[in-house]
Amino acid sequence: GAGVSQSPSNKVTEKGKDVELRCDPISGHTALYWYRQSLGQGLEFLIYFQGNSAPDKSGLPSDRFSAERTGGSVSTLTIQRTQQEDSAVYLCASSLVPPGQLNSPLHFGNGTRLTVT
Amino acid sequence: AQKVTQAQTEISVVEKEDVTLDCVYETRDTTYYLFWYKQPPSGELVFLIRRNSFDEQNEISGRYSWNFQKSTSSFNFTITASQVVDSAAYFCALSEAWSGGGADGLTFGKGTHLIIQP
Repeated sequence: GAGVSQSPSNKVTEKGKDVELRCDPISGHTALYWYRQSLGQGLEFLIYFQGNSAPDKSGLPSDRFSAERTGGSVSTLTIQRTQQEDSAVYLCASSLVPPGQLNSPLHFGNGTRLTVT
Repeated sequence: AQKVTQAQTEISVVEKEDVTLDCVYETRDTTYYLFWYKQPPSGELVFLIRRNSFDEQNEISGRYSWNFQKSTSSFNFTITASQVVDSAAYFCALSEAWSGGGADGLTFGKGTHLIIQP
């Protein structure tokens, strides 16, 4: 079946512009995660959705970042007034059930490479 | 194409037992990077280790140890004297040389859910 789909795969934007990254999880997966990987850094957890709710938004790096999930499916990560330090690969993942429960392996998308010039 | 296989979807052991999580990978590159991440119930991914393909020396960090064997394309992870707090999902991952060890071209295994019973 189809895996986690992220779009766009690559995005180049000018500093100060807003960008929207999309994640389409595997159908039926209730949990959805956003991570980012900056050059030379480890994976940074951003936010996790269970259904349409995000129990913890503290991982978002600044108030320029927001995320939403509608219909328990597609999620969008929005970065307003982009800065060069936002350049990174943004990874989305989904799992059938919440983390910590049985049979909840993560399925990752291929990521969106964001470059802010 | 890269591929990471974690054949064990779930492992359950009693506290204080040793447990090994298997990871087998496929790549055509001669230079690549291997990772292990831990995902506790909070959802975040906790970086545990990164090894490059030229360094086959096994590594030990406290109760954690990693056995990298290029001959079998395996990068197994052992927890000695397991504790309840070790309960989590664990992910093995591979990235290609051009990524410089970053997330570009990062391929994850499906993960192993580890349950440590008291």
